[in-house]
Amino acid sequence: NAGVTQTPKFQVLKTGQSMTLQCAQDMNHEYMSWYRQDPGMGLRLIHYSVGAGITDQGEVPNGYNVSRSTTEDFPLRLLSAAPSQTSVYFCASSFQGVGYNSPLHFGNGTRLTVT
Amino acid sequence: TQLLEQSPQFLSIQEGENLTVYCNSSSVFSSLQWYRQEPGEGPVLLVTVVTGGEVKKLKRLTFQFGDARKDSSLHITAAQPGDTGLYLCAGDWSSYNTDKLIFGTGTRLQVFP
Repeated sequence: NAGVTQTPKFQVLKTGQSMTLQCAQDMNHEYMSWYRQDPGMGLRLIHYSVGAGITDQGEVPNGYNVSRSTTEDFPLRLLSAAPSQTSVYFCASSFQGVGYNSPLHFGNGTRLTVT
Repeated sequence: TQLLEQSPQFLSIQEGENLTVYCNSSSVFSSLQWYRQEPGEGPVLLVTVVTGGEVKKLKRLTFQFGDARKDSSLHITAAQPGDTGLYLCAGDWSSYNTDKLIFGTGTRLQVFP
């Protein structure tokens, strides 16, 4: 199994441009989430989904949109990129929620630079 | 506001030394997970602790959950260069599965041969 696949691995955008970060999982996991990782900040939750058709906001949702039309895919959209969105983005999934019996499986990240 | 604070933020040690990493919060957690992340990769789960006072061992790594379930520690005995990486704690608040897993600030460990 491929696990959690993120594309692209690297991306450079100009301020104001839009783009979509792709995330796909082949483990039939119900729960999917997006985190951003910045130096000294750990991982911060952007959006998450507990199943197809259901999404909700995390800690830092402003400037990002998500949708979950299928169980497998959970794309993250940047509507109008800003330099503050320069970061490494991780997609993660789990069988059901994020409790003690349902650990997260992470992709290898997308490094985004906004100039 | 960072709900989970880790210390130290950076740690550079020689092979064979022992070390302890701390994860602290003012909130009570139902469970706490520890992950390790290597450069260019996503975090990978090491262990989950659930019960207050619980101790789990993974080879040379010992994880402890505080009695009040507000803090946790990771102790590495005789560190090896392969232990190098970013260590992250993450907590949830529910008694079963919850929707949000909140991560700590991370401890970056470098072990020199």
